[in-house]
Amino acid sequence: GQNIDQPTEMTATEGAIVQINCTYQTSGFNGLFWYQQHAGEAPTFLSYNVLDGLEEKGRFSSFLSRSKGYSYLLLKELQMKDSASYLCAVSTSGTYKYIFGTGTRLKVLA
Amino acid sequence: KAGVTQTPRYLIKTRGQQVTLSCSPISGHRSVSWYQQTPGQGLQFLFEYFSETQRNKGNFPGRFSGRQFSNSRSEMNVSTLELGDSALYLCASSSKTQTGSSSPLHFGNGTRLTVT
Repeated sequence: GQNIDQPTEMTATEGAIVQINCTYQTSGFNGLFWYQQHAGEAPTFLSYNVLDGLEEKGRFSSFLSRSKGYSYLLLKELQMKDSASYLCAVSTSGTYKYIFGTGTRLKVLA
Repeated sequence: KAGVTQTPRYLIKTRGQQVTLSCSPISGHRSVSWYQQTPGQGLQFLFEYFSETQRNKGNFPGRFSGRQFSNSRSEMNVSTLELGDSALYLCASSSKTQTGSSSPLHFGNGTRLTVT
């Protein structure tokens, strides 16, 4: 079957570093995306990995290991505005759909 | 560039009624997808359209249907509404044209449907 797992909730302190993990099992893999979604708003694209390794974008980095079916999103120098849900999604080859995890709700405390 | 626009933002309907949701993609994007978002299930794929053709459909009953127009605008229809259809319905557009490529989805703000 097709499945994506992420922790439901995480809490971290302003200024800290947090790592949000995502494991996936899909029939065919064509890339992994991370999205940020603030309460009541649309998900917004953060990062994309299709090859193994780390992609860095400012305070956000994303890592992929295709052999392990594993990715993580690393958020550095946490700010209060980073409090949001983070969604992991996989693009499946041979289809036009993206499989989403249920999201990780991150709370950043002062 | 204007983003993805969904109308209406909120809808309240009663069981048995039908509803039509509208989505205008980012200019130049020909792929439009629809997702249902609920607290317990996350985002569930409904269907994807490209150049007026449905290329993929998720595991939803036939009460859920959609279409895409020649200008890439899309509509989604749910007939015979049930209480369990209460959810946030998100439309997303992308520049993805073939299954072998991947492009990020750009989401609209969604339509929050409440069925009473």
